[in-house]
Amino acid sequence: GESVGLHLPTLSVQEGDNSIINCAYSNSASDYFIWYKQESGKGPQFIIDIRSNMDKRQGQRVTVLLNKTVKHLSLQIAATQPGDSAVYFCAESGGSGTYKYIFGTGTRLKVLA
Amino acid sequence: EAGVVQSPRYKIIEKKQPVAFWCNPISGHNTLYWYLQNLGQGPELLIRYENEEAVDDSQLPKDRFSAERLKGVDSTLKIQPAELGDSAVYLCASSRARGSPLHFGNGTRLTVT
Repeated sequence: GESVGLHLPTLSVQEGDNSIINCAYSNSASDYFIWYKQESGKGPQFIIDIRSNMDKRQGQRVTVLLNKTVKHLSLQIAATQPGDSAVYFCAESGGSGTYKYIFGTGTRLKVLA
Repeated sequence: EAGVVQSPRYKIIEKKQPVAFWCNPISGHNTLYWYLQNLGQGPELLIRYENEEAVDDSQLPKDRFSAERLKGVDSTLKIQPAELGDSAVYLCASSRARGSPLHFGNGTRLTVT
């Protein structure tokens, strides 16, 4: 199918290395953040989330870091695998008591064999 | 649990024709979202429902777009008449409650010729 993210920033990582994908969010009042993975021809898939009362949250091979001071979010993927190749989006929500999830522009992750 | 189901997966129509998209959310998810995704960009919210009520439709172009969620379960999004610029992927998502992750369907890719 047609690829998502043909003109997105691209991060190329060697298989087995760690990946770090960064995201700057816009609303200092946002209190809930999510990382999504989107493969070509599919909808975004939930990876991990974090609330604003936390700085770090770990999942299986993934870690999300939140720096509220500079409104920055990062996703760390350990031991990157070919199946991790996709476009990654961060989303913020909760500002002003609403739950309109606002998505960033995305980063394309390419895993090199 | 079964995921969010959308149909059709692909739709090609001529400009000025009507088109409709259908979404069946995850069972028990009260909140339903329709997003539009252009190539190389993150999803953009069109409308959000809580049960049957459209609680945020501020970004829905109401001159040609309409949506409904009868009985608070399935939803349809309609465009009439379609324009060339409407070519995009239309994503449906649902969540259990505010502040919970969105779960997306695989979208409907619309091409207007």
